[in-house]
Amino acid sequence: DAMVIQNPRYQVTQFGKPVTLSCSQTLNHNVMYWYQQKSSQAPKLLFHYYDKDFNNEADTPDNFQSRRPNTSFCFLDIRSPGLGDAAMYLCATSPQTSGSGTQYFGPGTRLLVL
Amino acid sequence: DQQVKQNSPSLSVQEGRISILNCDYTNSMFDYFLWYKKYPAEGPTFLISISSIKDKNEDGRFTVFLNKSAKHLSLHIVPSQPGDSAVYFCAASSLTGNQFYFGTGTSLTVIP
Repeated sequence: DAMVIQNPRYQVTQFGKPVTLSCSQTLNHNVMYWYQQKSSQAPKLLFHYYDKDFNNEADTPDNFQSRRPNTSFCFLDIRSPGLGDAAMYLCATSPQTSGSGTQYFGPGTRLLVL
Repeated sequence: DQQVKQNSPSLSVQEGRISILNCDYTNSMFDYFLWYKKYPAEGPTFLISISSIKDKNEDGRFTVFLNKSAKHLSLHIVPSQPGDSAVYFCAASSLTGNQFYFGTGTSLTVIP
């Protein structure tokens, strides 16, 4: 089945220790998104890629970076995690960037910062 | 600033009855709306959508209603089934935009 895969499902890191979350897709979609979702809050878009074009949201902290080496994979790098970065991180894909494109989500990676 | 709001964090409904989940938005530029359903330990999955040229879209037991003047949409599930128990997210975008704005979700429990 075509799908969006996120690894690991749970990640524990230490305060200030860099961590990388990964996302892969078999849908061959052009667009990949990273969302942060904290408890009882709406998913918040961090950035997205249209092919190799990177689009950063204005309020995404510099601490968050992303890489997309090819169509299938996208990585979220948190350079120096703080306690406030503990959240669920959702990866999503879409065939297009237009507002009518449905997004397909992975199961998420829950990040815990100690 | 939360542009999409779901003011009811939770809702409980008896099996067989109608579930009505509500969503309000503030940005008049939004012209495409979606509902996602999320089970625990899974990502959100697309449920149903509606564009602003319509005021109703129906798919089986699920119907979404859009009231543009009130900037309000609702999801009706009838009849509700225990398998519908999940968190439902409302999302909105503009057709010329490139991101969706999500609400905080409503947790629906359908009681057998």
